Amino acid sequence: DIQMAQSPSSLSASVGDRVTITCRASQSITNYLNWYQLKPGKAPNLLIYAAVLLQGGVPSRFSGSGSGTDFSLTIRSLQPEDFATYYCQQSYTSPPTFGQGTKVEIK
Amino acid sequence: QVQLVQSGAEVRKPGASVKVSCEASAHTFNVYNMHWVRQAPGQGLEWMGWINPNSGVTNYAEKFQGRVTMTRDTSISTAYMELSRLRSDDTAVYYCARAQEVGSIDFDYWGQGTLVTVSS
Repeated sequence: DIQMAQSPSSLSASVGDRVTITCRASQSITNYLNWYQLKPGKAPNLLIYAAVLLQGGVPSRFSGSGSGTDFSLTIRSLQPEDFATYYCQQSYTSPPTFGQGTKVEIK
Repeated sequence: QVQLVQSGAEVRKPGASVKVSCEASAHTFNVYNMHWVRQAPGQGLEWMGWINPNSGVTNYAEKFQGRVTMTRDTSISTAYMELSRLRSDDTAVYYCARAQEVGSIDFDYWGQGTLVTVSS
């Protein structure tokens, strides 16, 4: 199975900050990389697919980059509703696998 | 807008089974595979498998082979995930998640999650 290593595991930030989360795959996954946002008690939300494409309805402050093995998710100006846990996921091959998550907390 | 609505929280004893449902609002229920993903307390997301609602064909993660059964009822646009021989480490939130495209393993819509607690 492809292993996904995500960092950091948590971070503290303030509203308005720029935040970057990274994800590294154990082998090349070309651009088959998705990012999800999870909040307790709510349905997870697909933010970015194919490494760089913004899912419909997702604010433009979210962006993704990378290819091969190294990827990142950037939130340009953190908003109160962005405090959540973020997961990367490879969709290059089955079984799909996820990173361990990054919890974004309020500083 | 697709909505996936899951059944409510469940409590089971070790060795028992649990069946979680996932009702889809979309008329495209038959088109896209429905996946199941779980998250144990303090842990990451773990993929369990998928079902093709049209054909009923399933594909399970190796870890759950022999313990999980995914079914569907197309007349009510509902998918089911049954997990048997429950253990305490099966305590988790279970999500259904729709494939973004035919045959893909990207998930564009998710259910709200169902907490399954396994405790004696």
